Amino acid sequence: AQTVTQSQPEMSVQEAETVTLSCTYDTSESDYYLFWYKQPPSRQMILVIRQEAYKQQNATENRFSVNFQKAAKSFSLKISDSQLGDAAMYFCASPFGNEKLTFGTGTRLTIIP
Amino acid sequence: GAGVSQTPSNKVTEKGKYVELRCDPISGHTALYWYRQSLGQGPEFLIYFQGTGAADDSGLPNDRFFAVRPEGSVSTLKIQRTERGDSAVYLCASSFTGGAGVTEAFFGQGTRLTVV
Repeated sequence: AQTVTQSQPEMSVQEAETVTLSCTYDTSESDYYLFWYKQPPSRQMILVIRQEAYKQQNATENRFSVNFQKAAKSFSLKISDSQLGDAAMYFCASPFGNEKLTFGTGTRLTIIP
Repeated sequence: GAGVSQTPSNKVTEKGKYVELRCDPISGHTALYWYRQSLGQGPEFLIYFQGTGAADDSGLPNDRFFAVRPEGSVSTLKIQRTERGDSAVYLCASSFTGGAGVTEAFFGQGTRLTVV
């Protein structure tokens, strides 16, 4: 079975500081995409960052970066210079080579002013 | 429209009633997905359309759930004889071609269904 695990139900960070959200997964596929999505109270899932498993270089999008460890099946998200607008639920997900995304249970991120 | 549109935004229905949830994908997107998100959980896959056909409906929980996309654009998720356990947020997403993440999936704001 293909699974995504987020072991941190809640995290908080001081504004302007850095926070890391953890994600581990299990799959027998060798080539797949991994995603971090942000879900604010509006409920709309917004793609934050995407990583291709065959690429060793970690993806970066402005203040967001990942630490992808394929052998360990770990995919953590680092948010630098945290801003109040970053407060949301964050979900790790992957389609694991097919069309349907498998999501983790999410991490609620709170930004402390 | 500019994004994926879902209507209604909220729906309250009585147990045993029939409901329809609508999804308008981004124009030109051939792939369309439905997910269900229960309180405190991540979304769970229900069904995937490629064009007009349901390419994967393995996530539909039982035969009370059915979805259509007759013209390859708008999709309707239909739930018969609703139960309190069907209460959740139903999310729709579309992508240009599908492809297991090759093209980005864009999500709507969901329909919050409450069965009382």
